[in-house]
Amino acid sequence: EVQLVQSGAEVKKPGESLRISCKGSGYTFSNNWIGWVRQMPGKGLEWMGIIYPGDSDTRYSPSFQGQVTISADKSISTAYLQWNSLKASDTAVYYCARLSAYYVSGIYYYGLDVWGQGTTVTVSS
Amino acid sequence: EIVMTQSPATLSVSPGERATLSCRASQSISAKLAWYQQKPGQAPRLLIYGVSIRATGIPARFSGSGSGTEFTLTISSLQSDDFAVYYCHQYSNGDGSFGPGTKLEIK
Repeated sequence: EVQLVQSGAEVKKPGESLRISCKGSGYTFSNNWIGWVRQMPGKGLEWMGIIYPGDSDTRYSPSFQGQVTISADKSISTAYLQWNSLKASDTAVYYCARLSAYYVSGIYYYGLDVWGQGTTVTVSS
Repeated sequence: EIVMTQSPATLSVSPGERATLSCRASQSISAKLAWYQQKPGQAPRLLIYGVSIRATGIPARFSGSGSGTEFTLTISSLQSDDFAVYYCHQYSNGDGSFGPGTKLEIK
């Protein structure tokens, strides 16, 4: 079974650091981009960025550039999302998702076809 | 950065009826558009990619259309399981963005 399993819920204080993880199984982890998505309480989905575990090529949404670090260790099929100094506004559920490419009539299309269960991060003093 | 908008924010429809959800991109995204369904407490689920191609296991009552900057998700004959929040998403060359979502509720 293809799946992404994320690390458990975290409760942190402002200013603390944090790294959450997303472990893939059931497929060749290096071959698919992994995206990270934020969902603040009661709000919609926000695109944070994406990484290709095969060579760690990483792209960030302008809104999250410099605010988080996305990384991956292909040897253990795991992607990471990291903060150096958390803020209360980082309180959210964070999802990782596998990006799959579909080749149709000479064109590549993309979809986030496998999602992790989400990691709840609570930042409060 | 491409900005995605969706309308309406909330759509009230009776079971068995048709729902039409709209998504607009701030610039042309060709056909690099997908739709996702999210139910409370769950991760999103891929419904459609490439504007109109249903993902594996998605019922035929879900259909997508559009091109350029204007896109539509249509759900014919709504089932009780379809009431959820729907997001459009564009992705190309490492850049992505979601629309704010449309909440589909029971009328």
